[in-house]
Amino acid sequence: NFMLTQPHSVSESPGKTVTISCTRSSGSIADNYVQWYQQRPGSVPTTVIYEDNHRPSGVPDRFSGYIDSSSNSASLIISEVKTEDEAVYYCQSFDSSNAVFGGGTQLSVL
Amino acid sequence: QLQLQETGPGLVKPSETLSLICKVSGGSISGSSYNWGWIRQSPGKGLEWIGSMSQSGTTYYNPSLRSRFIISVDTSKNQVSLKVTSVTAADAAVYHCTTFEHDTSQFKHWGRGTLVSVSS
Repeated sequence: NFMLTQPHSVSESPGKTVTISCTRSSGSIADNYVQWYQQRPGSVPTTVIYEDNHRPSGVPDRFSGYIDSSSNSASLIISEVKTEDEAVYYCQSFDSSNAVFGGGTQLSVL
Repeated sequence: QLQLQETGPGLVKPSETLSLICKVSGGSISGSSYNWGWIRQSPGKGLEWIGSMSQSGTTYYNPSLRSRFIISVDTSKNQVSLKVTSVTAADAAVYHCTTFEHDTSQFKHWGRGTLVSVSS
């Protein structure tokens, strides 16, 4: 099994761009799709990015996903960040038929 | 819109068996192409995938949990079940029922979860 490692927390000012990384410990990040989930306090997780870089309908185009094979990591990029984006973000991928989640990153917008 | 509602005992004793039910409304399990499964979240911690069952009845489990967790689907009742044997304090968590959509590789629907505490 591999692990997905995320920073525990990131913070940014409103209107700026923030990047959250997700590094795969073994195997290639490109081997399996990466999803990103947003979990606001008191709510269930919702998908903001699926299959590396696709946005579900209703998710603003300020959210984008990127895969970097050179660093074996995936990134969630949120541009023009807003206070409503404050949440915990989880990356998720697959090891064969098993789902693996990163530990989550708390985004603070100050 | 598909809705998932989990129910459970709330409190279980160590070494006992935990049984959870997820009632599905707004759609039929047998009429869908989703995998049906469970994800848990320990208080203040992250998400842990437990496992899922495909439409063909194949089950997949987290390799670190496999031996104590059993997922089943009852299409006649339109519900999904989870049994956890030999419960320990480490099993205390919010348990979410989920659907997995193959076409988009995402956990698409989540129930609000049921909180399970473990104490004697």
